[in-house]
Amino acid sequence: KQEVTQIPAALSVPEGENLVLNCSFTDSAIYNLQWFRQDPGKGLTSLLLIQSSQREQTSGRLNASLDKSSGRSTLYIAASQPGDSATYLCAVAGNTPLVFGKGTRLSVIA
Amino acid sequence: GAVVSQHPSWVICKSGTSVKIECRSLDFQATTMFWYRQFPKQSLMLMATSNEGSKATYEQGVEKDKFLINHASLTLSTLTVTSAHPEDSSFYICSARVAGVWNIQYFGAGTRLSVL
Repeated sequence: KQEVTQIPAALSVPEGENLVLNCSFTDSAIYNLQWFRQDPGKGLTSLLLIQSSQREQTSGRLNASLDKSSGRSTLYIAASQPGDSATYLCAVAGNTPLVFGKGTRLSVIA
Repeated sequence: GAVVSQHPSWVICKSGTSVKIECRSLDFQATTMFWYRQFPKQSLMLMATSNEGSKATYEQGVEKDKFLINHASLTLSTLTVTSAHPEDSSFYICSARVAGVWNIQYFGAGTRLSVL
C-alpha cells in the first residue's frame, strides 16, 4: 500500500528565503506526482505535476524534482513571500487514486 | 478546461439529518469520481471511488450505509451523509478523472460540513 510522507510538518521562514519541502513515497511504481497548495478552509490548487518519466518541473518561483527510484520529491520555493503561506500537499498517482501526504504547513514571515 | 464544481461549499445541519453534496464535471465527462475526507490539520483520505452507472467502491473503515454515493451520469456524483453526527463534521472534497485519461484527477473546491 502506497504511503506518502512529508517533512517537515511545519516550517516558518523569513520573507525572501529560499526553502525546500520534502516528500517521500514507499512504492516507486507511480505514474505521476503532484504538488498542491491548500489555504486554510479551502480546496486544492494544483501547483506542479511531474510525470514519472520526468525529473523536474518549473513554474515561476517553484521547482519540483522527482527521483522515482529513491521514492523522493522536493518542492523548491525561491524568494519566499508572505503570500506563499499555506499548506503544501504532495500526492502520488499509481494504480490507485491519488494518495496524499499530510502536508507541510508553511508560514512566511514578513 | 477540466473544471469540477462542488456544491454546497459550506453546510451546517442538525444531528440526525441527512446532507447531500454534489460534484459536477462542467466541461468533460467523468467516468470515475472520487470522494475524500479531510479532518482538521490532517491529509485527504480517500473514502470511495464511484464509477458511472455502477456501485461505489468504499475504502476500508468507511460505512457505505452512512455515506451514500450515487454516480448516475457522466457529469454528476453525489455524496449523501445520512443521519449525520458531530463526528462527521469534516471537509469533503470530490475529484474526477477525465474519461480515457486515468492518471490525472481534477478537484472540486470542497464542502465544509458542520454537524451541530
